[in-house]
Amino acid sequence: QIVLTQPPSVSAAPGQKVTISCSGSNSNIGNHYVSWYQQLPGTAPKLLIYDNDKRPSGIPDRFSGSKSGTSATLDITGLRPADEAHYYCETWDIGLSADVFGGGTKVTVL
Amino acid sequence: EVQLVESGGGLVKPGGSLRLSCAASGLALTGYGVGWVRQAPGKGLQWVASISSRSNYIYYADSVKGRFTISRDNVKNSQYLQMNSLRAEDTAVYYCARVRYCSSDICYQIDNWGQGTLVTVSS
Repeated sequence: QIVLTQPPSVSAAPGQKVTISCSGSNSNIGNHYVSWYQQLPGTAPKLLIYDNDKRPSGIPDRFSGSKSGTSATLDITGLRPADEAHYYCETWDIGLSADVFGGGTKVTVL
Repeated sequence: EVQLVESGGGLVKPGGSLRLSCAASGLALTGYGVGWVRQAPGKGLQWVASISSRSNYIYYADSVKGRFTISRDNVKNSQYLQMNSLRAEDTAVYYCARVRYCSSDICYQIDNWGQGTLVTVSS
């Protein structure tokens, strides 16, 4: 059961910006930090954003996260072909007592 | 090099068992939660189980509760997933993970992932 809703796909031309939404509820996003992960084809996921809007060392500032109420957003600016990947949001759900992921969003660089 | 390395995956018949292991090198697991996340072929990420640093808080997804057991050995800097009564729908790549926040009532946010090990359940 997927409790975090993401668009299945987004696309844009190189150099442009894409925005990926992650919609939840007060049981999850509304009361906990949101993280974002990037999964390049054939590889393991990698932490991209933690605590809603923080970047681990080595993650370029083209990637930014934000949270408002029960929704979170990942922005990718200056899009590059190497950014083609699946992106997942994640948080904790109090009602389910479970770590929950969004269904994932495939980013395509046109 | 900082890494988590899984082992123990393979082909097993429905109803069978497997034990996955995950060893950390260059990366401390002590003081952190650890867990497992799986990904069925062509599908998204699905959390499986997590355990706190002192093993006093353990969480399972409903789909594996009663069949899977997570454990850890802080001396060996390792974690394990014992999987029993396996079903076809358990077929997936299993990733081990280090979890930042893990205590009573919460256990989430993965800051390090293993490369994954494939578990195939088929007759």
